Amino acid sequence: KAGVTQTPRYLIKTRGQQVTLSCSPISGHRSVSWYQQTPGQGLQFLFEYFSETQRNKGNFPGRFSGRQFSNSRSEMNVSTLELGDSALYLCASRNQPGGETQYFGPGTRLLVL
Amino acid sequence: KNEVEQSPQNLTAQEGEFITINCSYSVGISALHWLQQHPGGGIVSLFMLSSGKKKHGRLIATINIQEKHSSLHITASHPRDSAVYICAVRSGTGNQFYFGTGTSLTVIP
Repeated sequence: KAGVTQTPRYLIKTRGQQVTLSCSPISGHRSVSWYQQTPGQGLQFLFEYFSETQRNKGNFPGRFSGRQFSNSRSEMNVSTLELGDSALYLCASRNQPGGETQYFGPGTRLLVL
Repeated sequence: KNEVEQSPQNLTAQEGEFITINCSYSVGISALHWLQQHPGGGIVSLFMLSSGKKKHGRLIATINIQEKHSSLHITASHPRDSAVYICAVRSGTGNQFYFGTGTSLTVIP
């Protein structure tokens, strides 16, 4: 099976712009979670989707949003980008929420200038 | 206040040494995860624990729910084990994840 794929892998944006990141889970996996990783804050949970529904949400402002499509692919969107949004954004899939193992994608490295 | 604390932050070991990384947490959990992150960012999920002990090759993970503590052990360490090891917990309600700041391990040949 192909692993979790994320696109794009690298992205440069300027403050105030918006960005959409994409995640394709492992075939058959219906749960997708998103995480932000920064040197200062480490890994932080953004949200989790299952069967096109947001199941859980971390403590992030409303500028961060996401969705999941019927084929389980997921997107996350960040509007009105701030410098502090520069981070590695990781998504992970599992066969169901609470499933034994999460499989992480390679991440999208976002730089906000 | 960090819900998940790891120690040590940095660890250097000689090849072959037995390594222990500790994780303490302050919230009720439904599961605890150990993750491995190599330079370049790729993350691999090593273990998910809700009780007891799990073993995979040279890696052993234990959890004590009463003491809110978990340990990750690496036996016969090898330079390819060099990575950042991250402890993460899923809250008891299941709707939040909390992460430790990671332990950076370097194994010297």
